[in-house]
Amino acid sequence: DAKTTQPPSMDCAEGRAANLPCNHSTISGNEYVYWYRQIHSQGPQYIIHGLKNNETNEMASLIITEDRKSSTLILPHATLRDTAVYYCIAPPEGGSEKLVFGKGTKLTVNP
Amino acid sequence: KAGVTQTPRYLIKTRGQQVTLSCSPISGHRSVSWYQQTPGQGLQFLFEYFSETQRNKGNFPGRFSGRQFSNSRSEMNVSTLELGDSALYLCASSPRGRENYEQYFGPGTRLTVT
Repeated sequence: DAKTTQPPSMDCAEGRAANLPCNHSTISGNEYVYWYRQIHSQGPQYIIHGLKNNETNEMASLIITEDRKSSTLILPHATLRDTAVYYCIAPPEGGSEKLVFGKGTKLTVNP
Repeated sequence: KAGVTQTPRYLIKTRGQQVTLSCSPISGHRSVSWYQQTPGQGLQFLFEYFSETQRNKGNFPGRFSGRQFSNSRSEMNVSTLELGDSALYLCASSPRGRENYEQYFGPGTRLTVT
């Protein structure tokens, strides 16, 4: 997998946008970037994925830089329920179906 | 659509025993993956099944095994349990086949080995 680097922790005020960065400078041209989150004591939850263009769904937006070396997950209006560990993953093209989870970013949304 | 279900949710076993965990994927999903999560090692891939065939396997000893049935339901078995097998075991299903990393996880089975 392309190595990803995320800050270990971040804080965000409730109602504000949470912007979670991820560096993936070794990503190859056809490798997607996936984001998952894990709320305490629950299974991981798929959020979004993208290749080159920015993506948006009902949960979040994903902004990928033009050189694809980094991306940002945006939660537009963070709530207390968004407190979780967020994982950025760049699985290899032509690889297995396994997800390799790093340590992720612990996002704490404060009231 | 119902999500991924796992049974049992909690389990306590004694060292040396064996255990079988069950996973029912989302309807229509044919790929099922298993992961182990511990505080020390984080989330680690165990194996993945598609159409009753194991396609990928992680770096776990042979005591860890699994299978998938024709209805896509999957089981994993751990024999000769060790204290270090205490963990949260997670199952995930995928809507598509090869190279599908959009996986939907169940709530997990919390296994405690004493």
